[in-house]
Amino acid sequence: ELKVEQNPLFLSMQEGKNYTIYCNYSTTSDRLYWYRQDPGKSLESLFVLLSNGAVKQEGRLMASLDTKARLSTLHITAAVHDLSATYFCAVDIRYSGGGADGLTFGKGTHLIIQP
Amino acid sequence: DGGITQSPKYLFRKEGQNVTLSCEQNLNHDAMYWYRQDPGQGLRLIYYSQIVNDFQKGDIAEGYSVSREKKESFPLTVTSAQKNPTAFYLCASTVTSGFTDTQYFGPGTRLTVL
Repeated sequence: ELKVEQNPLFLSMQEGKNYTIYCNYSTTSDRLYWYRQDPGKSLESLFVLLSNGAVKQEGRLMASLDTKARLSTLHITAAVHDLSATYFCAVDIRYSGGGADGLTFGKGTHLIIQP
Repeated sequence: DGGITQSPKYLFRKEGQNVTLSCEQNLNHDAMYWYRQDPGQGLRLIYYSQIVNDFQKGDIAEGYSVSREKKESFPLTVTSAQKNPTAFYLCASTVTSGFTDTQYFGPGTRLTVL
């Protein structure tokens, strides 16, 4: 059974600081997603990481994937209040021989950025 | 505008009632999914469908049913057999071919059992 673990699950930080959210998963996969969710809202796609060593950046967020370590990171640079949200990683094992469809999600990292 | 629509936004159900949540997409996507989200948790897969007239159970299908009569529509019925249906339900869709597909999510339906 695929397990996806995020840490930390809760993070409070000050504006201007840097931090990293970690996503570990238990089964071979070369496709990982990061989503953002604001309170009471749906999920917004941030990044799709498709291969080992993939790195993508959008503004103050940068995501990377190490398929050998089964680890993805979401790095926040010089955080601003608008980045406060819950961030989810999700793993897709369809293309790694996993068979089943659909994404397996971590529990999410609730991020609060204080002025 | 292309996208995924879900209705209603809020739904209240009495004990023992069946209710149906609507999901429609005009993205011409092949695959559609239903997820459930409980407070403070990630999403869990209920059902998915890769083509019309075919669907598969996800991790937590018990107490739910779906149909896929049209490519654009994938309604979810929460039956009385679902013992704890209060949750946020999200529908998603994606193309099944291509290496860069992303699952896009609808706005969600919040179901509360009274």
